[in-house]
Amino acid sequence: EAGVTQFPSHSVIEKGQTVTLRCDPISGHDNLYWYRRVMGKEIKFLLHFVKESKQDESGMPNNRFLAERTGGTYSTLKVQPAELEDSGVYFCASSQGWSRAFFGQGTRLTVV
Amino acid sequence: EDKVVQSPLSLVVHEGDTVTLNCSYEVTNFRSLLWYKQEKKAPTFLFMLTSSGIEKKSGRLSSILDKKELFSILNITATQTGDSAIYLCAVSGVGGSEKLVFGKGTKLTVNP
Repeated sequence: EAGVTQFPSHSVIEKGQTVTLRCDPISGHDNLYWYRRVMGKEIKFLLHFVKESKQDESGMPNNRFLAERTGGTYSTLKVQPAELEDSGVYFCASSQGWSRAFFGQGTRLTVV
Repeated sequence: EDKVVQSPLSLVVHEGDTVTLNCSYEVTNFRSLLWYKQEKKAPTFLFMLTSSGIEKKSGRLSSILDKKELFSILNITATQTGDSAIYLCAVSGVGGSEKLVFGKGTKLTVNP
């Protein structure tokens, strides 16, 4: 069974540029989550999709972040324009129902 | 606000030692507590605990939940160098988005 896959593994961009992160959840998982870990801090929730609908986006830092989930399959998280404080590791996770969440390997974003 | 506190933040032991990792939490309408192991990339699932006093066991790892005192422990016996990782504790509440609230993690280093 394929796990949650994220692309890219690492991205380095300049402040003010745009970056798009992609997550492919486990097939059949309706729930898709985005989390972020900033250096020295705990992993924090960003948002939750159920199929293609946003269930909870209370963790999104500001309107520079835009998440989409096309047709309830893969999801993208776009940061535009990126700021230095957006640097961190962005994790995607998926689950079926309220069972355990499976995590991807994360995308390390570095904004310079 | 929901909160998870893990201790210690860091631990260095020798192979063969037994370790106990702690996780205390505050969450509205508790549903479950989960332990993950994070080596280089994706956090990998270890245990999900929902009922108090019932030990979950997998090989040398075991975990138990105390819902009255709001904490959980993760035990690792006869540690091996391959157990070196960050161990993450997370909780979820009933209702809402089923998002996970994480602690900062315990970094375990097992030396030969």
